Amino acid sequence: QVQLQESDPGLVKPSETLSLTCTVSGASITYYFWSWIRQSPGRGLEWIGYISNIGSTNYNPSLKSRVTISTDTAKNQFSLNLDSVTPADTAVYYCARGLGRWDYWGQGALVTVSS
Amino acid sequence: DIQMTQSPSSLSASVGDRVTITCQASHDISDHLNWYQQKPGKAPKLLIYDASNLETGVPSRFSGSGSGTHFTFTISSLQPEDFATYYCQLYDNLPPYTFGQGTKLDIK
Repeated sequence: QVQLQESDPGLVKPSETLSLTCTVSGASITYYFWSWIRQSPGRGLEWIGYISNIGSTNYNPSLKSRVTISTDTAKNQFSLNLDSVTPADTAVYYCARGLGRWDYWGQGALVTVSS
Repeated sequence: DIQMTQSPSSLSASVGDRVTITCQASHDISDHLNWYQQKPGKAPKLLIYDASNLETGVPSRFSGSGSGTHFTFTISSLQPEDFATYYCQLYDNLPPYTFGQGTKLDIK
């Protein structure tokens, strides 16, 4: 049974870096693509980016200058860093398995950007 | 970027009804379209991939069709657990991968 679990950073201050980790069980991160997706009332569902099984990445052009996705194969985790956040980055952040479609998702982590 | 237009944005229906949702792409995307169901407080759930393929474990009352720019999602006979929000999502050769605006399906 594949399961994904996001860490919970909760509150992040404007201009700081949002950091999230997704812990995967039941599948090896070295065999699939892994994505981050976020959802907010204003923007709806928005794909952030992915990291491949060999570590290559691709990001949404609208966020590319601020996003980094990386993996820790020893811990079977992948992570998201989003720099210079503003209140517009307030959203539920999901990690998910897949490239063009996502068949397993984490439960989501609400991240609020506020001073 | 390719734009997606999903309609309707909301829909009221009764148990047993047949329901149809459409998505229109701004450019030809072949069959590169997926459908998801989302319930409040939960992550989206993949129902249909590549326009018409039923994800494993998804009931057969759900179906999808279309190719190119026009796509349809159908629930043949609504069940109580089907009241949720549904999203289409396209993927092309190059990202970004885009979601539709969603269709909220509620009980009439």
